[in-house]
Amino acid sequence: DQQVKQNSPSLSVQEGRISILNCDYTNSMFDYFLWYKKYPAEGPTFLISISSIKDKNEDGRFTVFLNKSAKHLSLHIVPSQPGDSAVYFCAASRFRAGGGADGLTFGKGTHLIIQP
Amino acid sequence: GAVVSQHPSRVICKSGTSVKIECRSLDFQATTMFWYRQFPKQSLMLMATSNEGSKATYEQGVEKDKFLINHASLTLSTLTVTSAHPEDSSFYICSAREWLAGREIIAKNIQYFGAGTRLSVL
Repeated sequence: DQQVKQNSPSLSVQEGRISILNCDYTNSMFDYFLWYKKYPAEGPTFLISISSIKDKNEDGRFTVFLNKSAKHLSLHIVPSQPGDSAVYFCAASRFRAGGGADGLTFGKGTHLIIQP
Repeated sequence: GAVVSQHPSRVICKSGTSVKIECRSLDFQATTMFWYRQFPKQSLMLMATSNEGSKATYEQGVEKDKFLINHASLTLSTLTVTSAHPEDSSFYICSAREWLAGREIIAKNIQYFGAGTRLSVL
């Protein structure tokens, strides 16, 4: 039972255009969402995150949108650059009332390819 | 940014041997570290939560006697795969959550990852 789903294994976008990566989740208890970028032979690198109390968070070329009612989030990269080519993972977590938080629940990732 | 070092990056061992993997937070302190495993074409799956100075918390289906976790300091957690078998071959990766100015950044739960360890058991 996959609680975080990235339904597109790969996405090809032309350089300079907008890249939109999508993620859906099923667990309504998730309250914090993150996007990670991963290059081959490296660990995931934190990119951007959003709390469930917000619907948008922006950091430079990266914007994450959260639609809680649809249990959907998306990562927008604009303009897309060749260095953005990587695997992008969507992750979610749940805050514990007693302190601390769960480990992250990951999607399977989307391989973004930026074409020159 | 926060850096997490994981060692070794690759291990090949014989069936029945034990393998230790180290995870270090290099420029920050981490009271909590996490261990994940990734099988081919699957997502990262949480195995256990490592808490400094206390016992690790294991996810359902993960054998605690098989995967020993020690978090002896605020910058080091180790995962030991005991009596490894071919089915334990996988990609193991750790993460650490930053503890800043006496309070852990709990609400944000941003985890920083090591580069991972590829374990191959013959």
